[in-house]
Amino acid sequence: EAQVTQNPRYLITVTGKKLTVTCSQNMNHEYMSWYRQDPGLGLRQIYYSMNVEVTDKGDVPEGYKVSRKEKRNFPLILESPSPNQTSLYFCASSPRDGQSDTQYFGPGTRLTVL
Amino acid sequence: GDSVTQMEGPVTLSEEAFLTINCTYTATGYPSLFWYVQYPGEGLQLLLKATKADDKGSNKGFEATYRKETTSFHLEKGSVQVSDSAVYFCALGGSQGNLIFGKGTKLSVKP
Repeated sequence: EAQVTQNPRYLITVTGKKLTVTCSQNMNHEYMSWYRQDPGLGLRQIYYSMNVEVTDKGDVPEGYKVSRKEKRNFPLILESPSPNQTSLYFCASSPRDGQSDTQYFGPGTRLTVL
Repeated sequence: GDSVTQMEGPVTLSEEAFLTINCTYTATGYPSLFWYVQYPGEGLQLLLKATKADDKGSNKGFEATYRKETTSFHLEKGSVQVSDSAVYFCALGGSQGNLIFGKGTKLSVKP
């Protein structure tokens, strides 16, 4: 089944404890992206990747890192999480680009930072 | 910069009512326009899209027409069902190669 998977689905952590949220797609898509969803703000892009080893900042990149060493994986890294990073996170992928292709979303990761 | 404005919710309708969710955009050029839907507890999925002016996207009884002259992409459905209860997001393909979302409109349909 074609899909985007994220792990974990739920995570409660404490301030400053490094964490990684994994994202994997099995559709051989070139474009991958991370978003955060907050009440009243909609979805905002954190980072995106046009292909392996090519990543760029979105609208709200502060406090996050990403890497794209393989085409299928695009992990989101929080080196030192803070409470303002408590949010619902979505990974997405699309065949070629982010502005004209359909994006396929993962199920989301709900992160709470205490 | 590029932006999307959609009507605020929540919107509550009775089953079989007509639905309109307004969406307007600001962008340079002619971006692709999308409606995504998020059912409770799930990720977003594409509902429909249009890639050029006057295109009509349609899916599952929903329709939206790309109106360049009014910079709008309003979502409509003639007869909503309880199963349509979800959050609907309007989005445009930004000039930076990304998707720019509106804030979302929550729809509740009562039997």
